[in-house]
Amino acid sequence: NAGVTQTPKFQVLKTGQSMTLQCAQDMNHNSMYWYRQDPGMGLRLIYYSASEGTTDKGEVPNGYNVSRLNKREFSLRLESAAPSQTSVYFCASSEAGRRDQPQHFGDGTRLSIL
Amino acid sequence: GQQVMQIPQYQHVQEGEDFTTYCNSSTTLSNIQWYKQRPGGHPVFLIQLVKSGEVKKQKRLTFQFGEAKKNSSLHITATQTTDVGTYFCAGRAGGTSYGKLTFGQGTILTVHP
Repeated sequence: NAGVTQTPKFQVLKTGQSMTLQCAQDMNHNSMYWYRQDPGMGLRLIYYSASEGTTDKGEVPNGYNVSRLNKREFSLRLESAAPSQTSVYFCASSEAGRRDQPQHFGDGTRLSIL
Repeated sequence: GQQVMQIPQYQHVQEGEDFTTYCNSSTTLSNIQWYKQRPGGHPVFLIQLVKSGEVKKQKRLTFQFGEAKKNSSLHITATQTTDVGTYFCAGRAGGTSYGKLTFGQGTILTVHP
């Protein structure tokens, strides 16, 4: 059972380049999330998708776009990368329900932008 | 917007000592979750508290949710080297969508053998 799989694990970009981070889950979860983690800042929500076909902005959406391709996959795109987007990116998923559910995280993508 | 503050940012203890991290929200929370992240790893869910004044235990870990549902704490008794990592609280304010959690900054725990 793979859980949440993120690709790539590491990436170095130049300023202005574009990139898509991929995320897939095999737990049949309805909800998926993208976070960024920076030192001393905790995890900040970029975008989330409560269910297939829906996406919504989180706390720090500027400079990012997302696509909920199907129930399994939720991708994060940087159209024009900036050094401020250097971070560790985590994808997570959870079941839907009438209360909050545990979020299951992938191993992360470590992204450096020069 | 909602803010969740977590203190301390760092804690160094000797193995066997106790450890506590505190989480405070600017708004009343519907619930609070706690996660642990090992160095180089990803966050892993520990527990969720929902009721005012709730206390839950997991072996040496004790979790509390404040009466006003604006604060929470995690206490570890007799730390072990396996407790090393960053502990995060995450809460959801009432009226916001399920799953839209706000994470605290985390407390980095170092345990010296």
